[in-house]
Amino acid sequence: RKEVEQDPGPFNVPEGATVAFNCTYSNSASQSFFWYRQDCRKEPKLLMSVYSSGNEDGRFTAQLNRASQYISLLIRDSKLSDSATYLCVVTHTNAGKSTFGDGTTLTVKP
Amino acid sequence: EAGVAQSPRYKIIEKRQSVAFWCNPISGHATLYWYQQILGQGPKLLIQFQNNGVVDDSQLPKDRFSAERLKGVDSTLKIQPAKLEDSAVYLCASSFTGPDTQYFGPGTRLTVL
Repeated sequence: RKEVEQDPGPFNVPEGATVAFNCTYSNSASQSFFWYRQDCRKEPKLLMSVYSSGNEDGRFTAQLNRASQYISLLIRDSKLSDSATYLCVVTHTNAGKSTFGDGTTLTVKP
Repeated sequence: EAGVAQSPRYKIIEKRQSVAFWCNPISGHATLYWYQQILGQGPKLLIQFQNNGVVDDSQLPKDRFSAERLKGVDSTLKIQPAKLEDSAVYLCASSFTGPDTQYFGPGTRLTVL
């Protein structure tokens, strides 16, 4: 079993749709969680950190469920520019090691 | 603020040849990472440095891969000899300190023929 697993893609949604991605992790010692965005043939860039209390940034909402060991990303009112691969990242703070999921690809269509 | 710099951007070699990649992290960032990203997969950590010391190299194929970060700034990653399965994008990232936001360079796209 992979240490970090993401929803298999691709997700194809129309503009304005709401879409949610889930990510599960196996190491209960994991302490920091992030969502990164990667455009085609580009490097990953931080989208948002995921806090225990959940956090929201505009149309994006991230939530953490430690008991079930998963994090989620909700995108409301999807835009064409949201088309990208979304990578879930889990970090073991004491060891400092980060593990990336394989990503979920989103395509927003007109 | 300058970002993470990597060179070369593209490299094509034949199997069994050697190749080296260079990374210059963001100034002041203590932690430097090298990742391998195969098409369709997420980045896989090869090695992580804290200043010039190795924090994690558990997934580095040490029989053919080596990395160093002299003086705790620039870093080089070397593959010798290369195999076909090494074809991938090699990403360098840096962060101010370990479990922090990582900033990635543009990557080096390696093709092994």
